[in-house]
Amino acid sequence: DAKTTQPNSMESNEEEPVHLPCNHSTISGTDYIHWYRQLPSQGPEYVIHGLTSNVNNRMASLAIAEDRKSSTLILHRATLRDAAVYYCIEDAGNMLTFGGGTRLMVKP
Amino acid sequence: EADIYQTPRYLVIGTGKKITLECSQTMGHDKMYWYQQDPGMELHLIHYSYGVNSTEKGDLSSESTVSRIRTEHFPLTLESARPSHTSQYLCASSELGRGNSPLHFGNGTRLTVT
Repeated sequence: DAKTTQPNSMESNEEEPVHLPCNHSTISGTDYIHWYRQLPSQGPEYVIHGLTSNVNNRMASLAIAEDRKSSTLILHRATLRDAAVYYCIEDAGNMLTFGGGTRLMVKP
Repeated sequence: EADIYQTPRYLVIGTGKKITLECSQTMGHDKMYWYQQDPGMELHLIHYSYGVNSTEKGDLSSESTVSRIRTEHFPLTLESARPSHTSQYLCASSELGRGNSPLHFGNGTRLTVT
């Protein structure tokens, strides 16, 4: 199974940027990197994905290391509604394995 | 907006009952998945399907079964519910692809077996 490594938890202050790291040192050359987040009492929701280049969308930015062994999800201005568990996943188009994710706490 | 629907949202049922958790999606996605998640814990894949008449077991062994008779529908059945089946069950779907298609999740069914 493809596995990623993320810190168990992180804290941020409201209105400040947040950088959530992910290590995927065994990723193959064709696997995409996906990020999802799960708010309390909800199913996970898609945040962003990429292969090699950095990606931006309305929710976040994804910075992928040149060797693709790590990536960083960037929330440009954290809000209280961003408090959630963030999952980083390698996607080869087969079964998707979720790890423990990073629990992001946002302080007002 | 919700394009993937799970019912019921909550279910409390006695031991030994047969239950079916419903999952439907309106996006025409070929791939569908069932995950099991205990409170505060990781999601574990228990079943997936690549299309009609295709079903596979995931990386977590489960006593549940699934069927895929229609593209949009992927129900999960427990023939005889037990307290150990108490958990949250999450359904998801995605397009066929080589990793470039995001998963869309439903809001889950929280099952309690007494």
